[in-house]
Amino acid sequence: KQEVTQIPAALSVPEGENLVLNCSFTDSAIYNLQWFRQDPGKGLTSLLLIQSSQREQTSGRLNASLDKSSGRSTLYIAASQPGDSATYLCAVPSGGYQKVTFGTGTKLQVIP
Amino acid sequence: NAGVTQTPKFQVLKTGQSMTLQCAQDMNHNSMYWYRQDPGMGLRLIYYSASEGTTDKGEVPNGYNVSRLNKREFSLRLESAAPSQTSVYFCASNHDRGSNEKLFFGSGTQLSVL
Repeated sequence: KQEVTQIPAALSVPEGENLVLNCSFTDSAIYNLQWFRQDPGKGLTSLLLIQSSQREQTSGRLNASLDKSSGRSTLYIAASQPGDSATYLCAVPSGGYQKVTFGTGTKLQVIP
Repeated sequence: NAGVTQTPKFQVLKTGQSMTLQCAQDMNHNSMYWYRQDPGMGLRLIYYSASEGTTDKGEVPNGYNVSRLNKREFSLRLESAAPSQTSVYFCASNHDRGSNEKLFFGSGTQLSVL
């Protein structure tokens, strides 16, 4: 059974700092890996999707990498801003979206 | 473009009451999903529908039923609510035609069962 772990559970950084969020998974037979952002009381918003054959994806200040052999993905946020404060989740479908395992998220606070 | 719309946003039920959560998407997606989110447990799949007219159980289907009314709408019904069903419920959809298809989520329903 796929297990997805996100460490740390919470992170507090000063504005302007570059930071890395981690996602680990136990089964490397993944379909893709998707990073989401969740604001309090809201749904999940897709940030980046990395297909299993890819190594990284970039969108603006965000860069996500994938290393299937080690079972790891990282989400790099450059020059963090208070508006980046949210919970970040990774999701790993195994063989299709009917089997998606979500991490429990990293709650990020960016302090002005 | 509304995306995935869920109603209601909040609901309080008494044990044993029934209710239906509604979900509609306007992206012409084939697949739709219902998840529940509980503290410390991540999101777990309740039911999904790969296409209009089909539904399948996910990880935690007990106590729930679903209906894929048409391609746009996928409802989740609690026939006899229990306190263990207190949770935040999310509907999601995608094309699920390949590994480059993102999941799109609704804004959620916060359900409390007393």
